[in-house]
Amino acid sequence: ETGVTQSPTHLIKTRGQQVTLRCSSQSGHNTVSWYQQALGQGPQFIFQYYREEENGRGNFPPRFSGLQFPNYSSELNVNALELDDSALYLCAAEGASGNTIYFGEGSWLTVV
Amino acid sequence: GESVGLHLPTLSVQEGDNSIINCAYSNSASDYFIWYKQESGKGPQFIIDIRSNMDKRQGQRVTVLLNKTVKHLSLQIAATQPGDSAVYFCAVIDTGRRALTFGSGTRLQVQP
Repeated sequence: ETGVTQSPTHLIKTRGQQVTLRCSSQSGHNTVSWYQQALGQGPQFIFQYYREEENGRGNFPPRFSGLQFPNYSSELNVNALELDDSALYLCAAEGASGNTIYFGEGSWLTVV
Repeated sequence: GESVGLHLPTLSVQEGDNSIINCAYSNSASDYFIWYKQESGKGPQFIIDIRSNMDKRQGQRVTVLLNKTVKHLSLQIAATQPGDSAVYFCAVIDTGRRALTFGSGTRLQVQP
C-alpha cells in the first residue's frame, strides 16, 4: 500500500478535448509529481508540486498543467489532446522528511 | 541533463537462480537511486533505494550496489521466483532537483 490513489484508471478521449486526472495521497506527502509513461518506455517527468506551488517542470508544453490542494490531492490537466498524449499517467508522492518516492497505479489515457 | 541506460532489455533466468540487472547513469551529481518493479498494467513499485554516501544496501532477497566511480548501479535478486517477473527500472535523482530520471527498463523473465 503506497498511500497514493489515482482516478480514473482508464479513459478514452478525442483529439482536441481536455482531460483532468486526479491523485490523492496520505497526509504528510508534501511533494507530488506527475509522470507520463508511453508504452514500452520509462516514465518521463512532467512537473512537481510542493505546498501547492509548481516546483519544477520537465520538457512538456504549457497545455500540461497541474494543481495541488491543501488536502494533499493533486490534478493533472491536459488541454488540446493529441494522439501522442496516449500513455499511462503516474502520480508520485514524497514525504516531508525526504522519504522515498511512491507511485500510484496510474491512469491510462487513450486519445483517438 | 541526466540520462540513464540499462545494459539489457530482457533478462531470462531459471527459477531459483540469482538475477543481476545493471544500470548506468551519466550525472555525477546524482545522489539518490531507486529501483522500481513494474508489473503489467500497474504503477512502479518501490523495491530498494540507496544514497550516494553508500555503496551497498540489502533488503529482503535484494541487494543494490552503487559504483560512483564508473556511475554504475546494479540490482541483485536472490533465488529468483516467478513472481519476480516484471520490468525493472532504475531511477536517479540529483541534488536540488527532485525529479526522477528513469532508464528504459529491463524485462525479467523467470523460467520455471
